[in-house]
Amino acid sequence: DTAVSQTPKYLVTQMGNDKSIKCEQNLGHDTMYWYKQDSKKFLKIMFSYNNKELIINETVPNRFSPKSPDKAHLNLHINSLELGDSAVYFCASSQDSTGYEQYFGPGTRLTVT
Amino acid sequence: RKEVEQDPGPFNVPEGATVAFNCTYSNSASQSFFWYRQDCRKEPKLLMSVYSSGNEDGRFTAQLNRASQYISLLIRDSKLSDSATYLCVVNPKNSGYALNFGKGTSLLVTP
Repeated sequence: DTAVSQTPKYLVTQMGNDKSIKCEQNLGHDTMYWYKQDSKKFLKIMFSYNNKELIINETVPNRFSPKSPDKAHLNLHINSLELGDSAVYFCASSQDSTGYEQYFGPGTRLTVT
Repeated sequence: RKEVEQDPGPFNVPEGATVAFNCTYSNSASQSFFWYRQDCRKEPKLLMSVYSSGNEDGRFTAQLNRASQYISLLIRDSKLSDSATYLCVVNPKNSGYALNFGKGTSLLVTP
């Protein structure tokens, strides 16, 4: 069983489109995260939810909107996609908000053309 | 100054060699420290936590120097399967803060 899963794995789309990435964890964890890893391989936190509540919201354009329907799911919706949004997006989860030992999903490779 | 800094490498070493990676962090209030491993086009995975007293897990030894804000990872008897990027990771606080990742150090172990 996959602990943290993301769909889709690959996403190719044109500038200006709106797209969503879904994430689910079956570990029973309370906290989930979205990270962005750019072409320089730098992994940076975007958002974190603890029990469906937003606890971290880094400096991310308003075009990015996370949504957590329950504590096992954290989705990421992106409006008006731009070339600079091309990256790998990783979802992760941890037992609680201390962040200790985070489990990552396989990543979604987003390419904006 | 970046919050977590690492030498990007690459480190090319032969099988059986010992290799060490270093990392510095800027936030003196940081409380938790980790090494993650990321294989090419894969997700990061926790390799080991780093404790103040230093800790060992098989061929891997991690050290923390709080005074110098410095973390190290030593890999003994390198295997081909150790080839990956090693990410130094710092948790600034233990509540409500996400992990700060270094850019990673690339290791290639050759036959």
